[in-house]
Amino acid sequence: DGGITQSPKYLFRKEGQNVTLSCEQNLNHDAMYWYRQDPGQGLRLIYYSQIVNDFQKGDIAEGYSVSREKKESFPLTVTSAQKNPTAFYLCASSSDSTEAFFGQGTRLTVV
Amino acid sequence: GQSLEQPSEVTAVEGAIVQINCTYQTSGFYGLSWYQQHDGGAPTFLSYNALDGLEETGRFSSFLSRSDSYGYLLLQELQMKDSASYFCAVQTGANNLFFGTGTRLTVIP
Repeated sequence: DGGITQSPKYLFRKEGQNVTLSCEQNLNHDAMYWYRQDPGQGLRLIYYSQIVNDFQKGDIAEGYSVSREKKESFPLTVTSAQKNPTAFYLCASSSDSTEAFFGQGTRLTVV
Repeated sequence: GQSLEQPSEVTAVEGAIVQINCTYQTSGFYGLSWYQQHDGGAPTFLSYNALDGLEETGRFSSFLSRSDSYGYLLLQELQMKDSASYFCAVQTGANNLFFGTGTRLTVIP
């Protein structure tokens, strides 16, 4: 079955640590996105990638980093520079942005 | 920059019709789409409009007016399971997608 998979579903981070969220898709989509969602809020774009080895900052990229070494994978690293990382992180992919497919999300909590 | 405005909350009665509006200001525009998200879940695609007019998909319809930078999602014959958040999203480039802040719809008996 084709789809987009995020892991882990829940993640706990100590202050000062970097953590990496995984996002894998087998839909053969060129574009991939990372969004952050805070309780009762909308989706804010962190980074997006249109092709392999290329990515652009979204509205709230500070404190985050990404890579796109393979078409199928777009991992997001939440660095220690991100001062308020507790949130729900959603990864999506799209062939042309008319329809985006989302993973089930990773809920990150700082402890 | 981009901005999309939607009402934050809407309440409607089961069986009724509800309209959720979205106005946008973006540097580029290819189309407007709508997504549904239940609590704790992932957003799922509902519809996409690139041209002016109404698109109908079952109980859901979506409308776009490019000249007014405005669109809406129309939900008919509301069911309790329609209680969710609804997001409009603007495609600003070939692969650029920006979302609004969402409208929380509560359906009451």
